[in-house]
Amino acid sequence: QKEVEQNSGPLSVPEGAIASLNCTYSDRGSQSFFWYRQYSGKSPELIMSIYSNGDKEDGRFTAQLNKASQYVSLLIRDSQPSDSATYLCAVLNTGNQFYFGTGTSLTVIP
Amino acid sequence: DVKVTQSSRYLVKRTGEKVFLECVQDMDHENMFWYRQDPGLGLRLIYFSYDVKMKEKGDIPEGYSVSREKKERFSLILESASTNQTSMYLCASRTGPSPLHFGNGTRLTVT
Repeated sequence: QKEVEQNSGPLSVPEGAIASLNCTYSDRGSQSFFWYRQYSGKSPELIMSIYSNGDKEDGRFTAQLNKASQYVSLLIRDSQPSDSATYLCAVLNTGNQFYFGTGTSLTVIP
Repeated sequence: DVKVTQSSRYLVKRTGEKVFLECVQDMDHENMFWYRQDPGLGLRLIYFSYDVKMKEKGDIPEGYSVSREKKERFSLILESASTNQTSMYLCASRTGPSPLHFGNGTRLTVT
């Protein structure tokens, strides 16, 4: 079982819609969770961190964490073509090691 | 803002060459990491370091070594480059429970 799993996509949404990206993790004791955005040919860029159960909002982005279900999600409201990228879920596990999912490719169609 | 600088954006090397990838961070972070990223395989950890002169193997250390003589600098060395080491190499740093901060990446091609 992989430490972090994401649907690879590709996920396509029309401009203005909500994009929903999901991630599950295997280490139940993990405490820190991150979403990175990576444009083609570029390095990952941190967009959200979440540490406690519930929702955390930052502009058009909302991260959701459910530790009981070992599930993290990222919602992007009012999706824009500039949101087209690969989104990486990252988890800091109990061994203080980062694990990344393989990423979900998102395309926002104008 | 944290700045992680990788010395080269693109590199082309020949098989058998010794290759040095340099990474410098300006935030006094204790922890530094080298990853490679390949399509379909995601990010894979090569080596990491928790302090000066310390190094730990990651998931795929074979064919690589590292050097950390100063806190701000973490170098990745390909002892004898091979074509299967053609990849995007990413350096990252962090401190405490903070997230990883990545450099801009080095696209290495070995011919």
